[in-house]
Amino acid sequence: DAGVTQSPTHLIKTRGQHVTLRCSPISGHKSVSWYQQVLGQGPQFIFQYYEKEERGRGNFPDRFSARQFPNYSSELNVNALLLGDSALYLCASSLSAGDTYNEQFFGPGTRLTVL
Amino acid sequence: GDSVTQMEGPVTLSEEAFLTINCTYTATGYPSLFWYVQYPGEGLQLLLKATKADDKGSNKGFEATYRKETTSFHLEKGSVQVSDSAVYFCALREGAQKLVFGQGTRLTINP
Repeated sequence: DAGVTQSPTHLIKTRGQHVTLRCSPISGHKSVSWYQQVLGQGPQFIFQYYEKEERGRGNFPDRFSARQFPNYSSELNVNALLLGDSALYLCASSLSAGDTYNEQFFGPGTRLTVL
Repeated sequence: GDSVTQMEGPVTLSEEAFLTINCTYTATGYPSLFWYVQYPGEGLQLLLKATKADDKGSNKGFEATYRKETTSFHLEKGSVQVSDSAVYFCALREGAQKLVFGQGTRLTINP
């Protein structure tokens, strides 16, 4: 079975531009979470979506937004890119949102570089 | 909010050495605790977990025990291999799904 997939693998943008990152969860998983991992640091929680609704949001500015589609795939959008947005963006999927015993499975990430 | 602190790296060991990576946490309540591993160019993989005090998580020779009294979840392995070289992250689950990670510890094992 395919794991969590993310696209693109790498992306280079310039300051002020907009970017869209995509994630496809494991088949049967209905919850998707997004994390930002700056080089040398641990991942930071950005969003969680379940059944197309936002269920949680981390401490990120409104330039960051996301959505989930009927097939449970998800997009992360970042507007007005800053140099500090350069990071590895990780997507994780799980079966549901409310069960604390659900394991989150991570994708390989999208490496975003902002010049 | 909740937080996780890991021992700073990088850590370099010889093959077959004993490994300890320290992890302590601050949290309200009793969160589930995790160790994730990240190999070069890859995403995170769950290594082991513990959901309540005194639980011991184990996998691939790695172990960690949930210590409520010391708010710790130290990772140990009795004999490391070159293939264990990776970055290791300690994490707790805040609420139903949000994971809070430590800063990571880079481990290099020399043959």
